[in-house]
Amino acid sequence: QMQLQESGPGVVKPSETLSLTCSVSGDSVTNSGYYWGWIRQPPGKGLEWIGSIDYRGTTFYSPSLKSRVTISLDTSKDHFSLSLRSVTAADTAIYYCVGPRWLQFTYWSHGTLVTVSS
Amino acid sequence: QSALTQPPSVSGSPGQSVTISCTGTSSDVGNYNFVSWYQQHPGKAPQLLISDVNKRPSGVPDRFSGSKSGNTASLTISGLQSDDEADYYCCSYAGNYNWVFGGGTKVTVL
Repeated sequence: QMQLQESGPGVVKPSETLSLTCSVSGDSVTNSGYYWGWIRQPPGKGLEWIGSIDYRGTTFYSPSLKSRVTISLDTSKDHFSLSLRSVTAADTAIYYCVGPRWLQFTYWSHGTLVTVSS
Repeated sequence: QSALTQPPSVSGSPGQSVTISCTGTSSDVGNYNFVSWYQQHPGKAPQLLISDVNKRPSGVPDRFSGSKSGNTASLTISGLQSDDEADYYCCSYAGNYNWVFGGGTKVTVL
């Protein structure tokens, strides 16, 4: 069964860049038709879709975050990454990576809390 | 795009049925049959319950069912069990390669 595991720093300073990586096991990120994404959840609040990337590297971003987000695919390592620039306290959240379908989020990582704090 | 509207909480006794509504617009829920539902227990990652309005992935009990009418989707839990106590989120495709979630509903088993 496919498993997703995110990794990255748990604390990021305001105005800096949040960077997370999601490692995929049990399948390849480049399998035809696969889509991968990032979803976040501020503590005690609801879910927010950040963006997705398909197996060819085509990206799709939430309009509200588009100016600050980059999602990329590393085919050699079977992982994909999230970069969120110019972070503020409002970006403090649990970040989940998801995949591999476009029309539903079938598999989720355990989630990692990223706190924006100086 | 705006978040989908869900009731903050619903409750029911064991064995009863509860229904959670998810109201969007003609740009998301009303325009696409791509509504999914997720269950989230405290401290855990969400899990897919329903996709494409009413399809249950393998392993999801048939006590969970989904439907849609106009701009409102619904999740019904029949035969409520203590383990069903969790937060539930709806999600809809909103066009232009965008997804929108509901605010979440807390289900309490009395």
